[in-house]
Amino acid sequence: DAGVTQSPTHLIKTRGQQVTLRCSPKSGHDTVSWYQQALGQGPQFIFQYYEEEERQRGNFPDRFSGHQFPNYSSELNVNALLLGDSALYLCASSLWHGLDTQYFGPGTRLTVL
Amino acid sequence: AQSVTQLDSQVPVFEEAPVELRCNYSSSVSVYLFWYVQYPNQGLQLLLKYLSGSTLVESINGFEAEFNKSQTSFHLRKPSVHISDTAEYFCAVIRSGGSYIPTFGRGTSLIVHP
Repeated sequence: DAGVTQSPTHLIKTRGQQVTLRCSPKSGHDTVSWYQQALGQGPQFIFQYYEEEERQRGNFPDRFSGHQFPNYSSELNVNALLLGDSALYLCASSLWHGLDTQYFGPGTRLTVL
Repeated sequence: AQSVTQLDSQVPVFEEAPVELRCNYSSSVSVYLFWYVQYPNQGLQLLLKYLSGSTLVESINGFEAEFNKSQTSFHLRKPSVHISDTAEYFCAVIRSGGSYIPTFGRGTSLIVHP
């Protein structure tokens, strides 16, 4: 059983560009959450998707948007990239009922030059 | 809102020595507490969690943590560490009755020397 997978592993972009990151949840999971982990920091919650809708959102600007597909996979889109968007982006999947354990993927390392 | 403070950014220790990684939280309501481990170039893995019941919780690889409500702490301990325990450790809190989204601390890097 594959766990949470993310693609690509690494990505280099320049300021102002747009980027799309992808996540496939663990088999059987219906909820996907995205986190940003800056260097030397803990993960910061971006948003969470369930039933193809954004259910909760952290303190991130509208440049950060997402999508969930009928097969529960998800995308994170970031527009107008800033240098400060350089980070490890983590996807976590779980079941939609409260305190179900979140399973994290290995992350996508985004570098903005 | 809740917050988490991990007091040590880095903890060096020799193999087979005991270790304690400190975590304090602040919240005006009851909380659920978690420890995650992140090995190099990997995502986070849940190590252990406190939801209710016994305040002492254990992981399968010898770590334990104790919920201390009066001191608002959830310190992680292991009596004898191995080289393979070298990793980043994150404490996280979820506010009871809230959104069930965890707030993470900044992490503690555990470095085990031979």
